[in-house]
Amino acid sequence: EIVLTQSPGTLSLSPGERATLSCRASQSISSSYLAWYQQKPGQALRLLIYGASSRATGIPDRFSGSGSGTDFTLTISRLEPEDFAVYYCQQYGGSPPITFGPGTKVDIK
Amino acid sequence: QLQLQESGPGLVKPSETLSLTCTVSGGSISSNNYFWGWIRQPPGKGLEWIGSISYSGSTYYTPSLKSRVTISVDTSKNQFSLKLSSVTAADTAVYYCARHDSARRFDYWGQGTLVTVSS
Repeated sequence: EIVLTQSPGTLSLSPGERATLSCRASQSISSSYLAWYQQKPGQALRLLIYGASSRATGIPDRFSGSGSGTDFTLTISRLEPEDFAVYYCQQYGGSPPITFGPGTKVDIK
Repeated sequence: QLQLQESGPGLVKPSETLSLTCTVSGGSISSNNYFWGWIRQPPGKGLEWIGSISYSGSTYYTPSLKSRVTISVDTSKNQFSLKLSSVTAADTAVYYCARHDSARRFDYWGQGTLVTVSS
């Protein structure tokens, strides 16, 4: 099983600042199978990034993804008030299971 | 716009079977290109994929739960279902249904339903 580690656990920032979230895999994964999600209380999870760097439909361009192999990054260029949430990375390594990282909480400083 | 909605009992007794249904609206569950999955999130913890099913009934499950999980699909009702047997308090979680493609990216999610295992 491929294990995903996310850092930091919590990121305290102010609106307008840049957020950089890390996701590290225990072994190399195909970039095609790395995604990022946003979770807000009481709302359905939202797909942000797939294939490591492609934005999902309707996602603002302040969200960007990068990385390959075992190290992946989600960047939010300028935080908007609605971006304060928990972010998860997720991988599919080509055979079960699908796994998620433990999440990074972005909260208001 | 595709919508998914979980339904089922919010309280299940230990050793019993947890049963949930996901109703899909705004689109057909009978698509060659998609799978329908269940994911859970214990209180204050991260996400755990449980398993997925295609419209034709092909299933795959996470190994740690495989012996206790059954996922089925009812295309006539545009629904798919989860059964988890012999539950314990460790199965207390918010259960989500979601759609994913062959790259296992989950593009539509339900709001989630809290299931508590307690006597």
